[in-house]
Amino acid sequence: ENVLTQSPGTLSLSPGERATLSCRASQSVSSNYLAWYQQKPGQAPRLLIYGASSRATGIPDRFSGSGSGTDFTLTISRLEPEDFAVYYCQQYGSSPYTFGQGTRLEIK
Amino acid sequence: QVQLVQSGAEVKKPGASVKVSCKASGYSFTNYPMEWVRQAPGQRLEWMGRIDTGNGDTGYSQRFQGRVTFTRDTSTSTAYMELSSLGFEDTAVYYCFRQGGVGWGQGTLVTVSS
Repeated sequence: ENVLTQSPGTLSLSPGERATLSCRASQSVSSNYLAWYQQKPGQAPRLLIYGASSRATGIPDRFSGSGSGTDFTLTISRLEPEDFAVYYCQQYGSSPYTFGQGTRLEIK
Repeated sequence: QVQLVQSGAEVKKPGASVKVSCKASGYSFTNYPMEWVRQAPGQRLEWMGRIDTGNGDTGYSQRFQGRVTFTRDTSTSTAYMELSSLGFEDTAVYYCFRQGGVGWGQGTLVTVSS
């Protein structure tokens, strides 16, 4: 299976700062089928990015995704208070559709 | 808009089975596969598999093969996940979501306790 490793485990930043989250796959992700999700406590995940770089409907343009092959990045250009949450990457190019272990974005 | 509503929390004993439902609305149910994931307390999301809601074909993560069954009822636009031979390690929140990740259920907490 394609193992996804996210880094860092925890990222401490202040509102207004830029956040860069990494997701590395153990094998190349087929067709760059890589998604990013945001999850807040007690809530279901929310789709942010699909196809590595396409924003989902209604997602603010401060969220952007990039990368290909085995290395992917989620960037939040200017953090808003509501952005502090846990972020997961998921590959859906090959079964099983694995998730990373998550990056916790916390307020500094 | 896409809406998925799951059945309520369950408490089961070890060795029992649980069946979780996921009722879809706001889109054509048979046009999109339904996927299932679970999240144990404080853990990452774990993909369990998917069902083609059109023809009923299923694909399961090997980790759950033989223990999980996905079905669907197209007349009510409802997908089902049944997990058997429950152990304490199956305590988790179980989610359904539409392929593509746009719509998610609210989650169903399954607690395995003696």
